[in-house]
Amino acid sequence: DSGVTQTPKHLITATGQRVTLRCSPRSGDLSVYWYQQSLDQGLQFLIHYYNGEERAKGNILERFSAQQFPDLHSELNLSSLELGDSALYFCASSVDLRRSYNEQFFGPGTRLTVL
Amino acid sequence: DAKTTQPPSMDCAEGRAANLPCNHSTISGNEYVYWYRQIHSQGPQYIIHGLKNNETNEMASLIITEDRKSSTLILPHATLRDTAVYYCIVGYGNKLVFGAGTILRVKS
Repeated sequence: DSGVTQTPKHLITATGQRVTLRCSPRSGDLSVYWYQQSLDQGLQFLIHYYNGEERAKGNILERFSAQQFPDLHSELNLSSLELGDSALYFCASSVDLRRSYNEQFFGPGTRLTVL
Repeated sequence: DAKTTQPPSMDCAEGRAANLPCNHSTISGNEYVYWYRQIHSQGPQYIIHGLKNNETNEMASLIITEDRKSSTLILPHATLRDTAVYYCIVGYGNKLVFGAGTILRVKS
């Protein structure tokens, strides 16, 4: 158990819909990262938040957005869903932005299926 | 793009050491080598990281060549539960770029 929690575990929805994925980082971790893992793309970095502020963006679509709240939990919002958005979505957390290295601890993921 | 090259798959006998190689010939002086693994669609698990020196923890050892262009992750006594995809990642700060990894199959 990494200490990172994600809800829900599974989500099934229809094309065109909007969903919200939630992540709670490990106690004391200020950084939260979101990743998408699909069969054909592997693990892709989406976005990084540190203490409520966006720090880095990766391959995140404009239909996707995220935020980190004052209690440090984070939400990833996916809208106008398409079949190709079906994937595993992982959240990870790490302790400190200012170190030159940072081990990231991953949650169990949310499996999104778009029908 | 991932800055590492790993074999797509490897087999290892249970109880033997598993040695997973990784090439990272374009590594910069301040970049770390990280190893993660992912067991069947679970969240990736951090294993170990290093900069120049060899490192060891309760899970594994990391051997980095003197020129830092390659490294080897060693699982000293592989078990069936070590069957997973192992990712070698080179990075600095918070950026992790995952490649395809090595599928390690531990067989009894």
